Amino acid sequence: EAQVTQNPRYLITVTGKKLTVTCSQNMNHEYMSWYRQDPGLGLRQIYYSMNVEVTDKGDVPEGYKVSRKEKRNFPLILESPSPNQTSLYFCASSDSPSGANVLTFGAGSRLTVL
Amino acid sequence: AQSVTQLDSQVPVFEEAPVELRCNYSSSVSVYLFWYVQYPNQGLQLLLKYLSGSTLVESINGFEAEFNKSQTSFHLRKPSVHISDTAEYFCAVSDLRGSQGNLIFGKGTKLSVKP
Repeated sequence: EAQVTQNPRYLITVTGKKLTVTCSQNMNHEYMSWYRQDPGLGLRQIYYSMNVEVTDKGDVPEGYKVSRKEKRNFPLILESPSPNQTSLYFCASSDSPSGANVLTFGAGSRLTVL
Repeated sequence: AQSVTQLDSQVPVFEEAPVELRCNYSSSVSVYLFWYVQYPNQGLQLLLKYLSGSTLVESINGFEAEFNKSQTSFHLRKPSVHISDTAEYFCAVSDLRGSQGNLIFGKGTKLSVKP
């Protein structure tokens, strides 16, 4: 089944404890992206990647890192999480970076930082 | 740069009633337009899209949206909603010259269908 898989789905952590949210897609998609969803703010893009070793900042990149060492994986790294990073995170991918392409989303990762 | 405005954050409606979820966009260039739906505890999935051609686009579950260039709108409509349509709906826009990195989402409209 074609899908985007995120792990963990739920995580409660404490301020300053490094964590990684993994994202993997099995569709050989070139483009991958991370979003955060907050009530009343909709989806905001954190980082995106056009292809392997090509990443760029989205609208809200502060406090996050990403890497794209292989095509299928695009992990989101929080080096020192803070409470304002408590949010619902979505990874998404598409066949190509063209704006006409449809995004396939993962099921989401709900992160709470205490 | 483009922007998207969803005029209603919440829309309550009774089952079998018609519904319209409003979306306006701002862009200096031609755009692609999308509606994504998020059912409870799930990720977003595409509902319908406008790329070119006919300005009226339809989904498989009875929703439709019309691209109105003069009013810069892409409102979503359904003549008769079901309980299962309860979800959050996101309008999104990207410009023809750009990439997925330029895809902008609205803040979402929560549709609540009551029996």
